[in-house]
Amino acid sequence: EVQLVESGGGLVQPGGSLRLSCAASGFTFSSYSMNWVRQAPGKGLEWVSYISSSSSTIYYADSVKGRFTISRDNAKNSLYLQMNSLRDEDTAVYYCARDLIVGGGSGSSSYWGQGTLVTVSS
Amino acid sequence: DIQMTQSPSTLSASVGDRVTITCRASQSISSWLAWYQQKPGKAPKLLIYKASSLESGVPSRFSGSGSGTEFTLTISSLQPDDFATYYCQQYNSYLGTFGQGTKVEIK
Repeated sequence: EVQLVESGGGLVQPGGSLRLSCAASGFTFSSYSMNWVRQAPGKGLEWVSYISSSSSTIYYADSVKGRFTISRDNAKNSLYLQMNSLRDEDTAVYYCARDLIVGGGSGSSSYWGQGTLVTVSS
Repeated sequence: DIQMTQSPSTLSASVGDRVTITCRASQSISSWLAWYQQKPGKAPKLLIYKASSLESGVPSRFSGSGSGTEFTLTISSLQPDDFATYYCQQYNSYLGTFGQGTKVEIK
């Protein structure tokens, strides 16, 4: 069974940092590209970042570019999101999501974690 | 950046109704569009990928169509489990923009 489990969320002050993790199991993690998607309370979905299976290709939404860093460790079956210079508007549930197909490139996410809440507030 | 506009924002319908949700892209995205269903407190669920391909395990009452800039999600006969919020997402450019969502409510 495919499982994605996010962790690392919590309360952080504006300007602070947080590192989210996503532990993957039930599939060959190194074969799939991954995404981070967030959802502010009561709002819609916002794509945050993409990383290819080998980490060779990485993209960010303009809203987080220069502040967030996506990475992965295929040996540990884990995906990460390092979030720096956090702002109030970064408050959201953060989901990790797996691409639909091996090798990536479908752009659609067929498996999602349960999400981890990040609250940026003083 | 490509913008995605869904309509309507809210839709009131009854069980058994045929429901159609539209998603428009600000520029052509070929068929690189996905549809998701989300229920409160839950992660999104993939319904349709590449505009019209039904994800495994998704009931056949869901269908997608369109290409270029205009896309539709159709539920042929709305069921009680279908009351939820639906999102489109484009991935023509790997910057995977979502639409703002369409909430399907009970009439």
